[in-house]
Order: sequence, then structure tokens, then C-alpha cells
Amino acid sequence: NAGVTQTPKFQVLKTGQSMTLQCAQDMNHNSMYWYRQDPGMGLRLIYYSASEGTTDKGEVPNGYNVSRLNKREFSLRLESAAPSQTSVYFCASSAELTTGNTIYFGEGSWLTVV
Amino acid sequence: GENVEQHPSTLSVQEGDSAVIKCTYSDSASNYFPWYKQELGKRPQLIIDIRSNVGEKKDQRIAVTLNKTAKHFSLHITETQPEDSAVYFCAASKGQAGTALIFGKGTTLSVSS
Repeated sequence: NAGVTQTPKFQVLKTGQSMTLQCAQDMNHNSMYWYRQDPGMGLRLIYYSASEGTTDKGEVPNGYNVSRLNKREFSLRLESAAPSQTSVYFCASSAELTTGNTIYFGEGSWLTVV
Repeated sequence: GENVEQHPSTLSVQEGDSAVIKCTYSDSASNYFPWYKQELGKRPQLIIDIRSNVGEKKDQRIAVTLNKTAKHFSLHITETQPEDSAVYFCAASKGQAGTALIFGKGTTLSVSS
């Protein structure tokens, strides 16, 4: 039982390049999330998927797209990377979006855009 | 949308002292307030949570209090130990379709021995 697995763990991109962060969970959770973490800014919600087939914007969605491929997988795509997207990205999941469901985080993906 | 403010941003205490971290939220409909701990280079992990129908909850050395009227909640850590050193995040959620957990900016707690 791996929990939430995200890849890659480290990535360096050049400005303008595109890439996809992959995330999968094996806990049969309905809801999945992508957060970014920057020094002094906490964890900011990029996009989330309340259930398979739905996605919604979070606090900072600009420059990103997501795909809920199936119940297990939720990917985050940077179409044209910018230095401002240098961050640590966390995928997370919870049983449901409703109150009281613990969110479980992946180990994080360190992305540097040069 | 929801906005969560967290204070202080850094907190230094001596081993054995108590530590208090405070958060305020903006949306009166929020009803779930978890606290996460993140050690250096690791993922955030849930340490305690409280729902809006409860005023206080304890788990060994940690406790959380909630004041719905004032829209603020606090984390209390007693008898701090060096292993309590980490970044702590508060969060708030309405738990409805169209919403998700919104986090504060974090508090870096340093416990010196």
C-alpha cells in the first residue's frame, strides 16, 4: 500500500518547455488535489478533482492544466513553464471532499524552471 | 472564497515550554479545521483536527481549540520536545462540492534543548 505516489521527484525545465507531473493513489479515494508550496506562502491549491470525471480550479490555477485520468490518477501539466512556477508540488487525495476526510500527501516533486 | 491567516510565522521555544499557533478564517460556513505538521524535506501529515460542533480536542501533548464566533482556532503544544521542530499548517474547509481544503502560510516551530 504505497498511498500517494507522484513522479518525477526532481525536474529541471527550461522556460517555455512543457511537462506533466504524474500522481496515483491506491487508497480508492474519490478526491484528489494538486498543491504548490513556496517559501513563506504555505500550501496553495492549484486544482482539485472532487470525484472521477470532475475538476475544479483552486487558488492559483493559471499556467496549469489537469486531467483526472481515472479514479487512481490525477496529472498536472505545465504547458509553457515559467520561472514563477519553480516550486515544490504536492499531490494529495482524500476519501471524499466532504468535511472530516483526512488529506494524504505524496512525497512532493521539486521543479526548477530556469 | 476562504482565506486562512496564520500567526506567528516563526516561533522559538525552549524544550519543555508550551507553544501556541493561531489561525483565523474568513468563511463562516467552514466547518472542518485540521492541523498538519511538515518536517524538513517531508510531506505534510495530519496531527489533529476539529469540527465546528466541538470547541476543543486533545491528543496527548497537542490540543486544538475553536471559537466559531470569532472565527479563529489555535494549536497548543505542551511540554515541547526537539522532535516537535517542524512547520505547522492550519487549514479550513466547508467540505462541500466546489470547495477544498485551504491552508494557512505555516509556522516554523523551533524547539531548542
